[in-house]
Amino acid sequence: QKEVEQNSGPLSVPEGAIASLNCTYSDRVSQSFFWYRQYSGKSPELIMSIYSNGDKEDGRFTAQLNKASQYVSLLIRDSQPSDSATYLCAVRPPQAGTALIFGKGTTLSVSS
Amino acid sequence: DVKVTQSSRYLVKRTGEKVFLECVQDMDHENMFWYRQDPGLGLRLIYFSYDVKMKEKGDIPEGYSVSREKKERFSLILESASTNQTSMYLCASSPSSRNGETQYFGPGTRLLVL
Repeated sequence: QKEVEQNSGPLSVPEGAIASLNCTYSDRVSQSFFWYRQYSGKSPELIMSIYSNGDKEDGRFTAQLNKASQYVSLLIRDSQPSDSATYLCAVRPPQAGTALIFGKGTTLSVSS
Repeated sequence: DVKVTQSSRYLVKRTGEKVFLECVQDMDHENMFWYRQDPGLGLRLIYFSYDVKMKEKGDIPEGYSVSREKKERFSLILESASTNQTSMYLCASSPSSRNGETQYFGPGTRLLVL
């Protein structure tokens, strides 16, 4: 059973701090990784995708991938109350034409 | 911008009714998906389709069927609605590309079965 694991949280950080969200996956040959943000009552929206080992930065967000450790993380710098949401990690299996495998999500709460 | 639309935001049905949930995407994506999302259980894949008239079972297909007669439209059918099918239903679509098939979600349909 291919799995994606996330700590459910809640992760609480003060405004302006760095929030670190972590995700591990079981299928070693997975190639593509995604972070989605989901506000309460809304649908998931894509924040970042990452395909290669290392860091990928987009504004206040940095995704980090370590395929050897089967680990992907999302850092949010200068956290804002508007970042309070559930963050879903998703992994694409190596087979083409298959669905992403989602973790259950980590709830982030940023206090002002 | 990718746009995925779902026919209803909120729906209330009675036990035993046949329920149709429609999803339309405007980006010519090959792949389309139906999920349900429940507290503590995360997103669970019901069915997906990678081409017109093609369908694949996901993790929880029981009690559901799907139809994809046109590329842009993917329908989820609850043959005989039951109270345990009360949930948020999310449709998604993605292109078929070598670099990873980013999935784009519709706004969701919150279904209540009484």
